[in-house]
Amino acid sequence: DAKTTQPNSMESNEEEPVHLPCNHSTISGTDYIHWYRQLPSQGPEYVIHGLTSNVNNRMASLAIAEDRKSSTLILHRATLRDAAVYYCILRERAQGAQKLVFGQGTRLTINP
Amino acid sequence: GAVVSQHPSRVICKSGTSVKIECRSLDFQATTMFWYRQFPKQSLMLMATSNEGSKATYEQGVEKDKFLINHASLTLSTLTVTSAHPEDSSFYICSATPWGEGFYGYTFGSGTRLTVV
Repeated sequence: DAKTTQPNSMESNEEEPVHLPCNHSTISGTDYIHWYRQLPSQGPEYVIHGLTSNVNNRMASLAIAEDRKSSTLILHRATLRDAAVYYCILRERAQGAQKLVFGQGTRLTINP
Repeated sequence: GAVVSQHPSRVICKSGTSVKIECRSLDFQATTMFWYRQFPKQSLMLMATSNEGSKATYEQGVEKDKFLINHASLTLSTLTVTSAHPEDSSFYICSATPWGEGFYGYTFGSGTRLTVV
């Protein structure tokens, strides 16, 4: 499985933008980039995913480097509820449900 | 959206007994479900891939005879921890996805916290 590298922790202030980086230098041309987050004592929650182009949804934006070796999850205006562990995961592009292998993730702290 | 329900949310059992955890896809059919375990302050570790109507695929190092997985229908997978011991105490999480048109990612259950005493 192709691996991702994320900072162990990051800190930001409420109502400010947050940029969470992820390096995936061994990504293959058929890997999707997924982001999930996990609040304490809960299962992970899907945030966003993309392949080559930048993506936006109601939760966040995903900026993908042109060479696809890195990506950045952008929370445009952080709230206290965004404090969580954020996981960047590569998923093989194939038919059917492919397994997700979690790395260590980034623990995001939001200061009021 | 896709909802995965996991039950129970919390269970305490005595050492040597077995515990069954259920994972249901409520509004979609899931031919494949995934089981993870998570120790405190650690990431999720994939245990196995559960396939409807066939045997589960276990990750390396996971004892298939200890963690029995049954996926008898398109909406239900169960994980049974057999002869549980204190070292099996962990947070168990299942996941599934309504693969196909309108795919929005994988949905996870809320987890089951198992404590073996």
